[in-house]
Amino acid sequence: EVQLVESGGGLVQPGGSLRLSCAASGFTVSNNYMSWVRQAPGKGLEWVSVIYSGGSTYHADSVKGRFTISRDNSKNTLYLQMNSLRTEDTAVYYCARSEGGGSMGYWGQGTLVTVSS
Amino acid sequence: EIVMTQSPATLSVSPGERVTLSCRASQSVLTNLAWYQQKPGQAPRLLISRASTRATGIPARFSGSGSETEFTLTISSLQSEDFAVYYCQQYNNWWTFGQGTKVELK
Repeated sequence: EVQLVESGGGLVQPGGSLRLSCAASGFTVSNNYMSWVRQAPGKGLEWVSVIYSGGSTYHADSVKGRFTISRDNSKNTLYLQMNSLRTEDTAVYYCARSEGGGSMGYWGQGTLVTVSS
Repeated sequence: EIVMTQSPATLSVSPGERVTLSCRASQSVLTNLAWYQQKPGQAPRLLISRASTRATGIPARFSGSGSETEFTLTISSLQSEDFAVYYCQQYNNWWTFGQGTKVELK
């Protein structure tokens, strides 16, 4: 059974850093396109970052230069390093498996990041 | 960036009714279009991919259609468990979502 479990969210001050983790089971992270998608409170969904099976990474313009997606193949875990956090980064962050760069068939339960002083 | 626009923002319906949700893309996305259902406190759930292909385990009352810039999600007979927010998503050029349509009880 495919499972994705996020962790690492919490309260952080503006300008601070946080690293999110997404532990996967039931499949191999490195063989798939894996994304982070966020949802601000009461708002819609926004794609944030993707790492391709080949290792290439891409980020939305809103987080480019501040966020970094990565993976640890030995731990079958996806990460999102978030630096220079802003209040507008407050959101629930989901990891998701993308089917060959297409739709997102599997999602974690999400982890809440709150950026506030 | 491809902008996805959904209409209406809110739909008030009764169980058993036929429901039609619309999604428009700012430029052609071919059939690289998915639909998701999200209930409060839950992650999104994939309903439809490739504009019209139901995901595994999705009931037949859900159907998708369209191509290029105009897409539709239809629920043939709304069940109580279908009250939720529905998002369309294009994946022809990165990924962008519509703002969502809330299906609520009339």
